[in-house]
Amino acid sequence: RKEVEQDPGPFNVPEGATVAFNCTYSNSASQSFFWYRQDCRKEPKLLMSVYSSGNEDGRFTAQLNRASQYISLLIRDSKLSDSATYLCVVNLFSGGYNKLIFGAGTRLAVHP
Amino acid sequence: DTGVSQDPRHKITKRGQNVTFRCDPISEHNRLYWYRQTLGQGPEFLTYFQNEAQLEKSRLLSDRFSAERPKGSFSTLEIQRTEQGDSAMYLCASSSKGQLYTGELFFGEGSRLTVL
Repeated sequence: RKEVEQDPGPFNVPEGATVAFNCTYSNSASQSFFWYRQDCRKEPKLLMSVYSSGNEDGRFTAQLNRASQYISLLIRDSKLSDSATYLCVVNLFSGGYNKLIFGAGTRLAVHP
Repeated sequence: DTGVSQDPRHKITKRGQNVTFRCDPISEHNRLYWYRQTLGQGPEFLTYFQNEAQLEKSRLLSDRFSAERPKGSFSTLEIQRTEQGDSAMYLCASSSKGQLYTGELFFGEGSRLTVL
């Protein structure tokens, strides 16, 4: 079983739509959680952290459910520029060190 | 440009040849990571350095792979006797200790390897 699992998509949505991505992680020792964004043929970049209480950054809302080991990302009022792959990431403490483990990503395509 | 830089950006080689990639992290970052990414997958952790010490190697890293960070600054990743399955984007990332806890790794643009 993969440590971080995501629906690969693609999610094809019109501009202005609301879209939600889900992610599950297998290791209960995971300490912190993040969403990264990766544009086509570009490097991944941090989008936002995910807190247990839920957090918002503009049109983006992230949620964490530690009991279910489940993370979500909600994008409201989708823009064409939101088209990208969204990577769910967990910070795992293993072997005495922290490292970031990435999911395979969910592809989003926003169309006019 | 003070970001993470990787060289070369693209490498095409024949099966069985050796290749080496270089990564120059952000200068004040003491943590350096190598990841590998194939089409449709997320980055897979390969190895991690804190200063010059290689602290962890993934089981993905076979004996043909070796990484160094001799002076705690730039790093090299060498693949010996390349195989077609080694074809991938090799990503380098760096962070400071505090940034790791905030989840921020700074990635380079990657070195794309094609093994014919």
